[in-house]
Amino acid sequence: SAVISQKPSRDICQRGTSLTIQCQVDSQVTMMFWYRQQPGQSLTLIATANQGSEATYESGFVIDKFPISRPNLTFSTLTVSNMSPEDSSIYLCSVAKTGFAYEQYFGPGTRLTVT
Amino acid sequence: GQQLNQSPQSMFIQEGEDVSMNCTSSSIFNTWLWYKQDPGEGPVLLIALYKAGELTSNGRLTAQFGITRKDSFLNISASIPSDVGIYFCAGRSSLAGSARQLTFGSGTQLTVLP
Repeated sequence: SAVISQKPSRDICQRGTSLTIQCQVDSQVTMMFWYRQQPGQSLTLIATANQGSEATYESGFVIDKFPISRPNLTFSTLTVSNMSPEDSSIYLCSVAKTGFAYEQYFGPGTRLTVT
Repeated sequence: GQQLNQSPQSMFIQEGEDVSMNCTSSSIFNTWLWYKQDPGEGPVLLIALYKAGELTSNGRLTAQFGITRKDSFLNISASIPSDVGIYFCAGRSSLAGSARQLTFGSGTQLTVLP
């Protein structure tokens, strides 16, 4: 398994500002992902964070709105830019170690409220 | 795109009862994962399945990877109050280009009544 921490755990932000969420893993992992979970909903993949290269974004998510960094195999950041109330969600970091058939683990999440 | 249908959407059961929930897919998966999410927390991995027909247990939880590779179920036996939460299935497709992505079901909200 993997122990994943996220900072901040929650935040209340003003419309138009940006927030950077940090994800730290206790061991090296091959893959890191960022998900969004809107209130009462399931999880939606935002992007795959690639070490040393640009993240791979899913349909409906763009780099200008959700820039992602992954400087090494244990750390990644997700920035939610120019926020609006529609960005109020839980943002979850997720990791997988290696191999084709692999388990995937989630961090505790960052609860973001935009006013 | 891939779709996962998870049912039931919610369940109210008495403590001590057994519970069953399932997921079906429109496409073939090579991995099924079952998670539980408590309020204010991230999903916690309960069981991982990698082979068609595989039946795996984790304490009172049992999950199976369907023979058709398009479905999976999760059973909880002798439910207790701490089983309350939202259970999600997630599948990883065999389709080229999508091997890294998990598709999530819509979740089953479980309530255990004393």
